[in-house]
Amino acid sequence: SQQGEEDPQALSIQEGENATMNCSYKTSINNLQWYRQNSGRGLVHLILIRSNEREKHSGRLRVTLDTSKKSSSLLITASRAADTASYFCATDATGGFKTIFGAGTRLFVKA
Amino acid sequence: NAGVTQTPKFQVLKTGQSMTLQCAQDMNHEYMSWYRQDPGMGLRLIHYSVGAGITDQGEVPNGYNVSRSTTEDFPLRLLSAAPSQTSVYFCATRTSGNYNEQFFGPGTRLTVL
Repeated sequence: SQQGEEDPQALSIQEGENATMNCSYKTSINNLQWYRQNSGRGLVHLILIRSNEREKHSGRLRVTLDTSKKSSSLLITASRAADTASYFCATDATGGFKTIFGAGTRLFVKA
Repeated sequence: NAGVTQTPKFQVLKTGQSMTLQCAQDMNHEYMSWYRQDPGMGLRLIHYSVGAGITDQGEVPNGYNVSRSTTEDFPLRLLSAAPSQTSVYFCATRTSGNYNEQFFGPGTRLTVL
């Protein structure tokens, strides 16, 4: 079974609004990553947060990590139509080399 | 610098046929992996390699073989294709260490009839 579970499965918002996606995982992790996938394309890395970090920012992206709840959230502020894509969280388990992906959140930003 | 390349981009097979999906990288990354993505789903890890000569199984290894004779190449072999293997296959690489992003190839769309 997959390590990460994203919530919601799909999200539709207006341009300019904020989008929040959540990810839960099951085992102890070394780090958690967020990726973006445009339709029919490969995945692009957005941000990585280490297990000893609680929050990280990159441009309009803000990621939080709560290891006690085994959860993470990705916030995209001031969304744009170009942010329309699927977003996946992925985890690297402690001591392992396997990166396990969640099922993703499909974000649709209406212009 | 091509990054991660995958060939072919599209492939149609008949049940029982075998084939090899190619993955090559020019970033000198130690770690390479293969994923499959089914419609509306995330990626599932098939096999991975932490360096030349070293491979290991991921979440869904059955029906697939890999080898890693060089740092640059990590081919994925389908031994006897089945309709359940219809999927998009992605190869990814990253440097060793615990805090490094993965770089993905553009994918191979495989249909098994």
